[in-house]
Amino acid sequence: GENVEQHPSTLSVQEGDSAVIKCTYSDSASNYFPWYKQELGKGPQLIIDIRSNVGEKKDQRIAVTLNKTAKHFSLHITETQPEDSAVYFCAASKTGGFKTIFGAGTRLFVKA
Amino acid sequence: GAVVSQHPSWVICKSGTSVKIECRSLDFQATTMFWYRQFPKQSLMLMATSNEGSKATYEQGVEKDKFLINHASLTLSTLTVTSAHPEDSSFYICSARDTGHILAGVSDTQYFGPGTRLTVL
Repeated sequence: GENVEQHPSTLSVQEGDSAVIKCTYSDSASNYFPWYKQELGKGPQLIIDIRSNVGEKKDQRIAVTLNKTAKHFSLHITETQPEDSAVYFCAASKTGGFKTIFGAGTRLFVKA
Repeated sequence: GAVVSQHPSWVICKSGTSVKIECRSLDFQATTMFWYRQFPKQSLMLMATSNEGSKATYEQGVEKDKFLINHASLTLSTLTVTSAHPEDSSFYICSARDTGHILAGVSDTQYFGPGTRLTVL
């Protein structure tokens, strides 16, 4: 079945450094790739998303890149801050009401 | 915009009782809502897809008689955990898709609620 692999499972960076989280999907028909941030005890919040007709998207300190050929997509956070510490989930889906497949999550620690 | 609420945020109940969790889309209509379960330090596990006006679609291994889902309106879905047992203790999260955005071809993004922490004693 469809699968999304996410790496690393844990990432620790110094404040101000960049953080990169990578995901690989199996269903070549996937065309929508959202990223969610989940803080402790809260529901996931959408932080950025990208569609298959775009290779890169940026929103302030957050950017996402997509390589359709390799079926890879990545989240880049620059100038990390302690409040960026959370669990980040990547996901993949196909438009048309199909299920969203989530990665296992990456626990990001930003050390002050 | 795109706010999803859940109620209650946490609940403690005795074994054998039933608990109802509500999920509401506050500023959009949602033909489809989803119910997830999340164990500590794990990813989101889809339990079922809730469809307004029709029966929910359950994932393999999820007991439909144990986890009753009702999606009676375009803004409300409920999950009832019947005859709860300690192993049902978990973090339950709902999400919703904005039907208007889907129909307009704009987006089928899922928006999540804040979650409900269920503890069964």
